[in-house]
Amino acid sequence: NAGVTQTPKFQVLKTGQSMTLQCAQDMNHEYMSWYRQDPGMGLRLIHYSVGAGITDQGEVPNGYNVSRSTTEDFPLRLLSAAPSQTSVYFCASSYSGREAGETQYFGPGTRLLVL
Amino acid sequence: AQSVTQLDSHVSVSEGTPVLLRCNYSSSYSPSLFWYVQHPNKGLQLLLKYTSAATLVKGINGFEAEFKKSETSFHLTKPSAHMSDAAEYFCVVSDHNYGQNFVFGPGTRLSVLP
Repeated sequence: NAGVTQTPKFQVLKTGQSMTLQCAQDMNHEYMSWYRQDPGMGLRLIHYSVGAGITDQGEVPNGYNVSRSTTEDFPLRLLSAAPSQTSVYFCASSYSGREAGETQYFGPGTRLLVL
Repeated sequence: AQSVTQLDSHVSVSEGTPVLLRCNYSSSYSPSLFWYVQHPNKGLQLLLKYTSAATLVKGINGFEAEFKKSETSFHLTKPSAHMSDAAEYFCVVSDHNYGQNFVFGPGTRLSVLP
């Protein structure tokens, strides 16, 4: 199993550009999520999904869109990039998302720089 | 609401000496608690987790943590540090009211000196 994969590894954008960060998992997990990591702040939840066709907002959703058309994929879209979105983005998944004790498995991250 | 405090932003130890990384949490319900490790430019790896079973939890690479409800703490320890332990460590809380929505602490950077 590849686990959780993310592409690209690194991206540079200009202010106002749009892009999609890709996330895929091959563990048949129902729950998937996106976090951003900023220095001194840990990881903060952007959006999450408890199954195909179901998404919801996390702590910091503004400026980001998600969709979940398949169990495997959970792309994150930046509609109009801003310098404040410069960050490292992590995708994660877990079995069902219904139990607090489930382990979340993280991808390797995408480092995004917005100029 | 849930929250996590990691009392030290940076801890420095000598190789072969004990490691203590402190974590305090706030949760309205019975929490699950996790420690994740992040090596430089890598993703996050689970070290160990507490899910209301034994209060002393053993994880990978010799790490362990003890859940103390009265102190709302979940400190991470290791008897003897190794150079490869140098990394960022995150304490995470999740409770049954919020399902899988993890709340991360700000992280503690561990340096191991030769």
